[in-house]
Amino acid sequence: DIVLTQTPLSSPVTLGQPASISCRSSQSLVNSDGNTYLSWLHQRPGQPPRLLIYQISNRFSGVPDRFSGSGAGTDFTLRISRVEAEDVGVYYCAQATHFPQTFGQGTKVEIK
Amino acid sequence: VHLVQSGAEVKKPGASVKVSCKASGYTFLIYGINWVRQAPGHGPEWMGWISPYSGHTNYAQNFQDRVTMTTDTSTSTAYMDLRSLTSDDTAIYYCARDSPGAGGVDFWGQGTLVSVSS
Repeated sequence: DIVLTQTPLSSPVTLGQPASISCRSSQSLVNSDGNTYLSWLHQRPGQPPRLLIYQISNRFSGVPDRFSGSGAGTDFTLRISRVEAEDVGVYYCAQATHFPQTFGQGTKVEIK
Repeated sequence: VHLVQSGAEVKKPGASVKVSCKASGYTFLIYGINWVRQAPGHGPEWMGWISPYSGHTNYAQNFQDRVTMTTDTSTSTAYMDLRSLTSDDTAIYYCARDSPGAGGVDFWGQGTLVSVSS
């Protein structure tokens, strides 16, 4: 199975400041159709995950533009330009290029 | 899009559990349903997928021998049946709609806590 390794595991941030999370894959996530099925999800305590970004850099419906994704091949990054209080929680990267779908171990974002 | 799951379950080791997921707000037949579980303090783990249109399933190897996923298209409901439960199966179980264009899943159910304890 594809292993997704996220860094850092915990990220204390100041409100209004940027935050960045890295996700590294054990294999290239470029699919045979040319697309890269790497997504980012956000999970608040007691809630299900919510899709933020799909195919590396596409924001899902309703996701604020302070969230952005980048990367290629095996290395990907999620950036929050200015962290707001509602952004706390755990962020996961996920891949659907290779069977089975797998998820990173999560990065906890909390306010300093 | 709404995915509403059945309530929490408490089971003994060796028992089975069946979780339901009722979909609304979209055409049920068009999108696959994934099942994902999350053990306490862990990241999500993909269990498998079912096509409501064809009934075709695809299970993760870890669950191949003891999971069955089905759908009832007349009620737009998906089901996940997990057998031979152990304490390691204690987790929140989610259904999530397939997102073939984006890859992966997009909308998630609220989750169903399954606790396995003697």
